[in-house]
Amino acid sequence: DIRLTQSPSSLSASVGDRVTITCRASESISIYLHWYQQKPGKAPKLLIYAVSSLQTGVPSRFSGSGSGTEFTLTISSLQPDDFATYYCQQSYGTLYTFGQGTKLEIK
Amino acid sequence: QVQLQESGPGLVKPSQTLSLTCSVSGGSVTSGHYYWTWIRQTPGKGLEWIGYISDTGSTYYSPSLRSRVTVSVDTAKNHFSLQLTSVTAADTGVYYCASCDYGSGSYYVDSWGQGALVTVSS
Repeated sequence: DIRLTQSPSSLSASVGDRVTITCRASESISIYLHWYQQKPGKAPKLLIYAVSSLQTGVPSRFSGSGSGTEFTLTISSLQPDDFATYYCQQSYGTLYTFGQGTKLEIK
Repeated sequence: QVQLQESGPGLVKPSQTLSLTCSVSGGSVTSGHYYWTWIRQTPGKGLEWIGYISDTGSTYYSPSLRSRVTVSVDTAKNHFSLQLTSVTAADTGVYYCASCDYGSGSYYVDSWGQGALVTVSS
């Protein structure tokens, strides 16, 4: 199985901050890397697919980049609605897997 | 995007079978470019891909669950289902049905159900 490791596991930040979350894969996964946001008691929501494509309706302050085994999700200016847990997911291997999550909290 | 809604018992006894159904609206389970998928979220393993059935009826199951899992589709009712046999406490968690878009070539989950909490306990 392809393992995804996110860093950091948790992060405290303030409204207006620029935040970057990293996802590292145990082997190269080409462009098959996607990002989701999850709020307590809710299902995950797709933010970015195929490394850098913004899902319809997602604010442009979210962006993704990377290639091979290292990928990043960046929020350019944190808004109150962005405090949540973020997950990366790969769809390169036959078994799709998720990272362990990064919890973004208000400082 | 389709809308998805899970239904089924919230409490299952150990060694019994967990059964959930996902109703699909805003689209058809026979339409192309979707894998109809089950994902669970447990305290022990986080988000875990269980398996899927495609619009053509082909299935894929996680190797760790393959011996206990069946995903099926009912085209007349426009829903798909999950059966997980011989459950233990480790199977307790929130079960999501989801649509995984493969038509784009990127294989991402673009719609999720609201989640069904299933507790395994006697």
